[in-house]
Amino acid sequence: AQSVTQPDIHITVSEGASLELRCNYSYGATPYLFWYVQSPGQGLQLLLKYFSGDTLVQGIKGFEAEFKRSQSSFNLRKPSVHWSDAAEYFCAVGAGDYKLSFGAGTTVTVRA
Amino acid sequence: EAGVAQSPRYKIIEKRQSVAFWCNPISGHATLYWYQQILGQGPKLLIQFQNNGVVDDSQLPKDRFSAERLKGVDSTLKIQPAKLEDSAVYLCASSLDGSSYNEQFFGPGTRLTVL
Repeated sequence: AQSVTQPDIHITVSEGASLELRCNYSYGATPYLFWYVQSPGQGLQLLLKYFSGDTLVQGIKGFEAEFKRSQSSFNLRKPSVHWSDAAEYFCAVGAGDYKLSFGAGTTVTVRA
Repeated sequence: EAGVAQSPRYKIIEKRQSVAFWCNPISGHATLYWYQQILGQGPKLLIQFQNNGVVDDSQLPKDRFSAERLKGVDSTLKIQPAKLEDSAVYLCASSLDGSSYNEQFFGPGTRLTVL
């Protein structure tokens, strides 16, 4: 069965600084990978997804993620963080059954 | 376009009581999901509907949880009787079709506290 590990429970970053969130997955075949963001009191919103092709994918809100098969990773990055990026971020993996398995999430705090 | 609606947003009950949550998906979305999100964990799928039929309820604790999707639109999730460990946020999501990786759109969730 597929699974996702997000090693960092909480990250604090200064506004304007770069951000990288780690995600490692476990799945025997080519995974379908997703990043979602959950702002306080809101539902999850899809930031980006990887199915195949170019391993660097661009998403909404200035986020990007890179798929590295050799490292079983799909890390999320943003070059310059805004205060509105404070939220919880979830990595998810899909197998062939079109269902998603989510990681435990990383909470991002942005300091002024 | 209107998003996924859920009510109530918050609910506090005592253990052994019953509770029901309601979800109205995005119009035209055939697939509806209920997830349970326990504090400190990611969402876990409880049940998936395709129109008004159940596709997957393997993670639903059927001795106390039940769900239905009337006429393939709105859905209700019920817990009877509730236990302390049911305290969580219950998320509803919908997508055009569950037979591919169409984007799932999530509602704001219902936060349940069981005392």
